[in-house]
Amino acid sequence: GAGVSQSPSNKVTEKGKDVELRCDPISGHTALYWYRQSLGQGLEFLIYFQGNSAPDKSGLPSDRFSAERTGGSVSTLTIQRTQQEDSAVYLCASSFSTGLGTEAFFGQGTRLTVV
Amino acid sequence: SQQGEEDPQALSIQEGENATMNCSYKTSINNLQWYRQNSGRGLVHLILIRSNEREKHSGRLRVTLDTSKKSSSLLITASRAADTASYFCATGNGGGSEKLVFGKGMKLTVNP
Repeated sequence: GAGVSQSPSNKVTEKGKDVELRCDPISGHTALYWYRQSLGQGLEFLIYFQGNSAPDKSGLPSDRFSAERTGGSVSTLTIQRTQQEDSAVYLCASSFSTGLGTEAFFGQGTRLTVV
Repeated sequence: SQQGEEDPQALSIQEGENATMNCSYKTSINNLQWYRQNSGRGLVHLILIRSNEREKHSGRLRVTLDTSKKSSSLLITASRAADTASYFCATGNGGGSEKLVFGKGMKLTVNP
């Protein structure tokens, strides 16, 4: 595809259920990021993948959160036993890594609502 | 953790005026980027400035970077109602990593 694609665009789940959020990055991009944005707030870094290197998981808020990137392409963010405070927009971005800094391309996000 | 901090947090101006937004950060960086967000969804990249650059222009945008003060500013000249959005600065620390850390953002309202 031409851009970063995230699915679903909206997800309503019951407290305690597990959810999976998907991100399809731009083809050829080696770096992939996940961020969380609560209403009216900034972007909270969650996790960063770069090529075959070990991911930077330093932003994951608890062990209920995990992410994987299969084949260096599609990524899935999994939230287990969802809580109401997990409600937010989850944003994925990708970039072509040069090590010098390049622009990140964002998807439209998944709005997660935990009821 | 969030490194960048935009200032002011909200700005309201009239169409045609210039808008200046500031960003301060804490640690050393190799690049700083500005993004725009409409309607709380995906962000759009505006401009990137590297640590060895002091000023950069792109259309009506002008970005400055002062690494000694750990600060950057984004100037939008001759603002338009369509510039109404939230603006974020993001910093990259380099060292082979493209990880970007974003600030809390700043809401710009341009009144027609």
